[in-house]
Amino acid sequence: KQEVTQIPAALSVPEGENLVLNCSFTDSAIYNLQWFRQDPGKGLTSLLLIQSSQREQTSGRLNASLDKSSGRSTLYIAASQPGDSATYLCAVRGSGGSNYKLTFGKGTLLTVNP
Amino acid sequence: EAEVAQSPRYKITEKSQAVAFWCDPISGHATLYWYRQILGQGPELLVQFQDESVVDDSQLPKDRFSAERLKGVDSTLKIQPAELGDSAMYLCASSPSRSGANVLTFGAGSRLTVL
Repeated sequence: KQEVTQIPAALSVPEGENLVLNCSFTDSAIYNLQWFRQDPGKGLTSLLLIQSSQREQTSGRLNASLDKSSGRSTLYIAASQPGDSATYLCAVRGSGGSNYKLTFGKGTLLTVNP
Repeated sequence: EAEVAQSPRYKITEKSQAVAFWCDPISGHATLYWYRQILGQGPELLVQFQDESVVDDSQLPKDRFSAERLKGVDSTLKIQPAELGDSAMYLCASSPSRSGANVLTFGAGSRLTVL
């Protein structure tokens, strides 16, 4: 059974800092990996999708990397802003079977202080 | 920008009552998912539809939960009877791809509180 772990569970940084969020998964046979953002009481917004054949994806100040063999992904946020405060969730999609189940981590709660 | 619509946004009910949630995915999206997210946890899949067919409902508590997607468009998730432990956010998501290769788009969610 796939298990996804996110470290740290919470992170507080001053505005302007660069930061890294970590995600690890136990089964390296994945189809793809997604990073989501969730604001309090809201739904999830997709940030980046990395296919299993890719090493990284970039969108603006965000960069996500994937090391499938070691079961790890990182989300790098450059020049953090207070508006980046949210919970960041990592999810991996399995490659076995026909349903390609998406398994989520518990998330990292990020607070960027002005 | 196309969105996944969900209603109601908030629902407070007493235990043993029935509750229903509705989801309208992005037009043309073949795959629809219902997830449950308990506070402080990641979302967990309850049921996945491919068009009107159930692909995965292995985590759906079938004694009290039911889901349908008649005509392969919008979907309803029902709980009867509701229990205290059902308090959570119920998230609907859709994807254009039958293979799961594409990004999932989530709705804003329906927050359920069972008293």
